[in-house]
Parts: sequence; C-alpha cells; structure tokens
Amino acid sequence: EAQLVESGGGLVQPGGSLRLSCAASGFSFSDYAMFWVRLAPGRGPEYVSGISSNGGSTYPATSLRDRFIISRDNSKNTLYLQMGSLRPEDSALYYCARGMSYHFYSMDVWGKGTTVSVSS
Amino acid sequence: QSMLTQPPSVSAAPGQKVSISCSGTDSDYVSWYQHFPETAPKLLIYANNKRPSGIPDRFSGSERGTPATLVITGLQTADEAVYYCAAWYPTVPAGAFGGGTKVTVL
Repeated sequence: EAQLVESGGGLVQPGGSLRLSCAASGFSFSDYAMFWVRLAPGRGPEYVSGISSNGGSTYPATSLRDRFIISRDNSKNTLYLQMGSLRPEDSALYYCARGMSYHFYSMDVWGKGTTVSVSS
Repeated sequence: QSMLTQPPSVSAAPGQKVSISCSGTDSDYVSWYQHFPETAPKLLIYANNKRPSGIPDRFSGSERGTPATLVITGLQTADEAVYYCAAWYPTVPAGAFGGGTKVTVL
C-alpha cells in the first residue's frame, strides 16, 4: 500500500527556516511527481509546490517560489520542502501528496500532514 | 495561477442531487477532492470527469469548460464533507485549489 509520512514540522519564529520531509513507501517513488499542499484553519487548501519524478522540473506556486524550495532524493524515497523567511501566515498543516500516473497534477495519495506554526 | 471560486455551502435531502460549481477553471486539468475533518483530502475526480478506481459513479465531473461542476447524486449522510476543486495551469506551471464547498445532508 502506498504511504507517505511527513515530518519536520514544529514551532518556529518569524523569519526562521524549516525543512519538511516526506518519506514514501509502498510504491516506486522515482516514477511519480510529488507535491506539497498546505491547509490552514478556516481556509481551503493552498498549492505550495510540485516536482517531477526525476527532480528535473519544479512547479512552485508563484507567491511562494522565492521562499520555499522543493526537492527530492529518489535514492532515499524522500521528498523535501525547504522553507525560509517564514511568516505567521505560513502556519498550516503541510501535506505531501503523490501525483497520479499520466495525470500527474491530480494527487491520489496523501500523507497525514505535519504542522508548522510560525510565532514569536 | 487563477483564483478558483466555489460556493461556501450547498445542501439537499438524502437521495437528492447537489451540484458544486468551480469558476475560474480556465484549464483542461480539473480535479475534485473530498475532505473530512482530521483526515487527508481524497481524490474524487481527475481530468475533469474521470473517477479513480473505487469512487462511486454517484460522483461525476463536468466536461471541460467553465465553470467546472461536481455533481453528487443519490446523496448520502456519509457525503457530508467539504469538497475542493483544483486546477493545473501548464503555462505557469503550477496548481491551485478552490476555497471549498461544505455539503450538508438535510
């Protein structure tokens, strides 16, 4: 069974940095595009970023591309999100998700999420 | 990316039909997700109107066009959830989500 487990969330001060990880298992990680999506209380999901199966292309949200960098290590079956210059409005539950085969932009497997809180 | 606009809520009695619109989807690549509290979103529809395996045919998506529409027929109490549309913009390239629609079964 395909599974994604996020980690690395926590409390960070405004202006700080954090790196999220997403460990994949139960499927051939290197065959799939991957994504980060965040969900803040009282708001809809927000697309954060995506990356192609081989890591050669990234698809960041325009509003976040200067502060958030997505990457992956296919040898470790792990997806990352490096977040910098964090702001209180970045506080959210961050999910990693797998893109479908052939329709990579649709996310068919999701993790349980890791919580990021940005506060002084 | 564009802003995707959904109605905040829709409701209907059990067995009835609800339609959820998603405007701003000037994209061929629309997906729909079902979300229950404290769980991860679940993919219901991809490529505008295709269902992943295991999704009942009570859930259907409109053909390409705007607004995109999710239709739920034979409404069940288990369908009470928030439904989100999402679109992919290949010219950017990046995705976007709608604000969500709460479905209430009366």
